Amino acid sequence: GQNIDQPTEMTATEGAIVQINCTYQTSGFNGLFWYQQHAGEAPTFLSYNVLDGLEEKGRFSSFLSRSKGYSYLLLKELQMKDSASYLCAVYNAGNNRKLIWGLGTSLAVNP
Amino acid sequence: SAVISQKPSRDICQRGTSLTIQCQVDSQVTMMFWYRQQPGQSLTLIATANQGSEATYESGFVIDKFPISRPNLTFSTLTVSNMSPEDSSIYLCSVGDWQSEQYFGPGTRLTVT
Repeated sequence: GQNIDQPTEMTATEGAIVQINCTYQTSGFNGLFWYQQHAGEAPTFLSYNVLDGLEEKGRFSSFLSRSKGYSYLLLKELQMKDSASYLCAVYNAGNNRKLIWGLGTSLAVNP
Repeated sequence: SAVISQKPSRDICQRGTSLTIQCQVDSQVTMMFWYRQQPGQSLTLIATANQGSEATYESGFVIDKFPISRPNLTFSTLTVSNMSPEDSSIYLCSVGDWQSEQYFGPGTRLTVT
């Protein structure tokens, strides 16, 4: 089967660092995406990892380990506006190629 | 990048009726997708809208229930037919290649009573 696991909810403090984990079990793997979705809005792209390692983009970084079926999104210097849902999605380029989406992690940033 | 608009932004409909959702993109794109996001749930792909041919539906979704049109490379419609309360959801269109960023429309919030 195809499965993506993320924590349902997380809470952090403004200015702190938070790590959101994503584990996946899919029949194929050709890349992993992270999206941010504020309440009532559409998802917006954050990162795309194909190879193992850490990709840094400003306050956000994303890590991938293909052998472990594991990724994390690291948010530094948290701001109130980072309160949102963070969606992990795996791209499977197999016979039925598509994106497989996790349920998302709802992050609340408190002052 | 691509800018996507959807109409309507929200609607309340009676069961048994149908609603057509429009998706307009500001540039020509090859791939357009229709998703459903139910409360507390993940994004679920309904179908890929193909220009000049029938849409490709995912398991659990059929053309009779969710007919899709794609008359050109900037526009698509999704119809939710013979609606029931279980169809209450947010419907999103998106564009982009599988291995690159997808751009999403603002969504259509549908409530079926």
